[in-house]
Amino acid sequence: QKEVEQDPGPLSVPEGAIVSLNCTYSNSAFQYFMWYRQYSRKGPELLMYTYSSGNKEDGRFTAQVDKSSKYISLFIRDSQPSDSATYLCAMRDMNRDDKIIFGKGTRLHILP
Amino acid sequence: GAGVSQSPSNKVTEKGKDVELRCDPISGHTALYWYRQSLGQGLEFLIYFQGNSAPDKSGLPSDRFSAERTGGSVSTLTIQRTQQEDSAVYLCASSLVSFGTSGQQYFGPGTRLTVT
Repeated sequence: QKEVEQDPGPLSVPEGAIVSLNCTYSNSAFQYFMWYRQYSRKGPELLMYTYSSGNKEDGRFTAQVDKSSKYISLFIRDSQPSDSATYLCAMRDMNRDDKIIFGKGTRLHILP
Repeated sequence: GAGVSQSPSNKVTEKGKDVELRCDPISGHTALYWYRQSLGQGLEFLIYFQGNSAPDKSGLPSDRFSAERTGGSVSTLTIQRTQQEDSAVYLCASSLVSFGTSGQQYFGPGTRLTVT
């Protein structure tokens, strides 16, 4: 079992829809949970991060962490064509020198 | 301020040659990562440097790959006897790990390596 599992997609949704992206993980030592966005031919950039369990909202984006289920989600409301990108979840392992572990990323297409 | 820089931005080399890729992290960042990304694929972890700890080399695909980080700053990734399957974008990222912060990574623009 991989440490972080993420469906690679692609996921295609119409403009304006709510998008739900998810990751599962197996390591209970993960504390910080992050979502990165990567546009084509660019490096990933941090979108949001959450410490431990709970929700965090930033504009149209909401990140959720459920440590009991080892499951994290990113919701995008009122999706726009400019949201089309690859979304990667990432987690920080406090037991391995704070090493950050990435999921494989989900390719998202927002259809105009 | 300056972000993470990588050089060269593009490298074309012949199969069997050695290549060196350079990463200049953000000043003061204690952690440095190398990743490889093939077209349409996810990030493949290669190596992780954190402060004075021994580097985590668990992602290096073969003994042809090696990396150094000198003086806790600049890092060089070396690929010996390159093969066509080494063709990919090599990304470097740095972060400042401290208590109470996410330790988010800042990525460089990458080096696109093509082995002919």
